[in-house]
Formats: sequence, structure tokens, C-alpha cells
Amino acid sequence: ETGVTQSPTHLIKTRGQQVTLRCSSQSGHNTVSWYQQALGQGPQFIFQYYREEENGRGNFPPRFSGLQFPNYSSELNVNALELDDSALYLCASSLVSGGIRRETQYFGPGTRLLVL
Amino acid sequence: AQTVTQSQPEMSVQEAETVTLSCTYDTSESDYYLFWYKQPPSRQMILVIRQEAYKQQNATENRFSVNFQKAAKSFSLKISDSQLGDAAMYFCAYRSASAEYGNKLVFGAGTILRVKS
Repeated sequence: ETGVTQSPTHLIKTRGQQVTLRCSSQSGHNTVSWYQQALGQGPQFIFQYYREEENGRGNFPPRFSGLQFPNYSSELNVNALELDDSALYLCASSLVSGGIRRETQYFGPGTRLLVL
Repeated sequence: AQTVTQSQPEMSVQEAETVTLSCTYDTSESDYYLFWYKQPPSRQMILVIRQEAYKQQNATENRFSVNFQKAAKSFSLKISDSQLGDAAMYFCAYRSASAEYGNKLVFGAGTILRVKS
């Protein structure tokens, strides 16, 4: 069983650029959630994808968007980067089957994004 | 909106001793889940323990146990026989059982745990 993987591990961009982060979910999982973790803070929920559709979103502007592919992997896209977007971006996968009562999220190692 | 508060920014414990990390939360819901995650310097968020709100029995996982007080909205983590490998940032997290919120985890600000040899 493979765990959650993310790429790249580190990324440096300049203000105004666009970035794409990638996540491969754990084997057997069908749901992916993305979180932003600023330095010294707890993660903040960005959004979740289930069955290739966005299924829940946190307080993030539309320039944060995502995709989920048929193999359940996912991308997080951020347009018009701002300095405050500098953070660790975490992806978490889980299995949702019927109700959500018993699923647990498993996290990847994250992508560290620095915006200059 | 649900909130999670961890009032201890940093804690220290001697190796082999016991330490308790505090967490309180605010919600109007009756059915939810609570988690403790550990994040070492490697950044990988690792699940330590989970508790379903409908269960009265406190969860335990080897050296890790929780004290879940639903009426007080308190969810503390006890680490027994502390080991050097326990040193990390610990996050308390809440998730609603309602499908309306999907998988959204609400995290506290974290507690840095230092283990002294």
C-alpha cells in the first residue's frame, strides 16, 4: 500500500506567477483535501475533491482552484501569486464510502512554496 | 463555525515521564470527530489518535490516550513513557460528522513538544 505523495517538495515563485502542485492519493482512497499551513500555524482547509468534483471549500479566493483525476490524484492551482501565499501546502486523502462516519485522512509530506 | 484552541504553545517533558497536551473546541453539533496529529520537523502530518463523539470511552493507542470531556468540550492528549521520537508539533483537530462540511478538518494552532534526555 503506497502512502500519499506530493510534488514538488519545494518551489520558489515570484509574485503574480501561477503554480501547480500535485498530489497522489493513498492506494484505495477516493477523496482528496488540500490545506495551507503558514509558518507556525495550524493547517487551513482550502477545498476537497470527491468523484472529480469540488465538494467543500474553505475561505480561499477563486484564484485557488483544483482538479481531481479519474485515478483520484489531484492538482492545486494558484493564480496571481501573492507574498502571503508562501506556506506549506498539504494534501490529505481518505476513502469515502456510503457515509463519512469512519474515514480518516492521511497526509502527504507537503510542498513548501515560497513567493518572492 | 467550529473552532479549536490549544492554549499551550510549548511543552517540555523528561524522557520516560508523562505529559498532557490540552485542547478545547467550540461547536453546536452533537456528532463529530476529534483527532490528534503529530508533525515532526520532516513536516509529515501523522495521525496519533482519533475519538468519535458518540463514544463515551476514551480512545487509547499504545502510549497515547485521550481524556474526552464532551460537556466541557475538552480533548486532552496524554503521552506516557515519553520518548525522544515524540518530539514534534502536535495539532488537535475537529471534523463535523455532517456531510455538509465534507472532510474539512479544523485545526488548532499547535503545541510544540520538547523531550529532554
